[in-house]
Amino acid sequence: DADVTQTPRNRITKTGKRIMLECSQTKGHDRMYWYRQDPGLGLRLIYYSFDVKDINKGEISDGYSVSRQAQAKFSLSLESAIPNQTALYFCATSRQGDLADTQYFGPGTRLTVL
Amino acid sequence: DAKTTQPTSMDCAEGRAANLPCNHSTISGNEYVYWYRQIHSQGPQYIIHGLKNNETNEMASLIITEDRKSSTLILPHATLRDTAVYYCIVRGRSSNTGKLIFGQGTTLQVKP
Repeated sequence: DADVTQTPRNRITKTGKRIMLECSQTKGHDRMYWYRQDPGLGLRLIYYSFDVKDINKGEISDGYSVSRQAQAKFSLSLESAIPNQTALYFCATSRQGDLADTQYFGPGTRLTVL
Repeated sequence: DAKTTQPTSMDCAEGRAANLPCNHSTISGNEYVYWYRQIHSQGPQYIIHGLKNNETNEMASLIITEDRKSSTLILPHATLRDTAVYYCIVRGRSSNTGKLIFGQGTTLQVKP
């Protein structure tokens, strides 16, 4: 969905490096999410934010941190990257008032940690 | 959130309707049925959702049985670009985390 963008799209880094993945959205949504996907597996929730002042851990938050700089921006950081954090990372957004809480995903960032 | 069961894979001829089934026998009254698809490592794409009634949009139709224990996603005229993994997800409207649980999904192969 072009309304949700992620940068970079691909990144190769080394063990121990700090990495930041960025997500921006023009949908005007309040809620933002970070998921990761490993080969052959479903998506797992890392962190989520229901508004600018709200940050919550998901099911696999260890080794990650996030920053909600504005309603439209939600960044994911790997403080000290390790090889098992090699994965596809997706950002998603949804609207507070949507009873179904439909989520819209960005194109993903492919991260490789050597 | 209720568990869903989908066939691992399906084939469909181009131009024909693709009917993708999903079982969710433990669904509760306030849980929605969502369908998303993922085309080869791209971001998951929302297709459609429903609560009780059948739904239709520009992409697909969703048929939910009267007892809500199963549903079928219908792509009326499948094209090669519809080849993807299709995920059926059940989640309550008041989910605390907003988390979508993606299972293994159904790999739909549309063939010429």
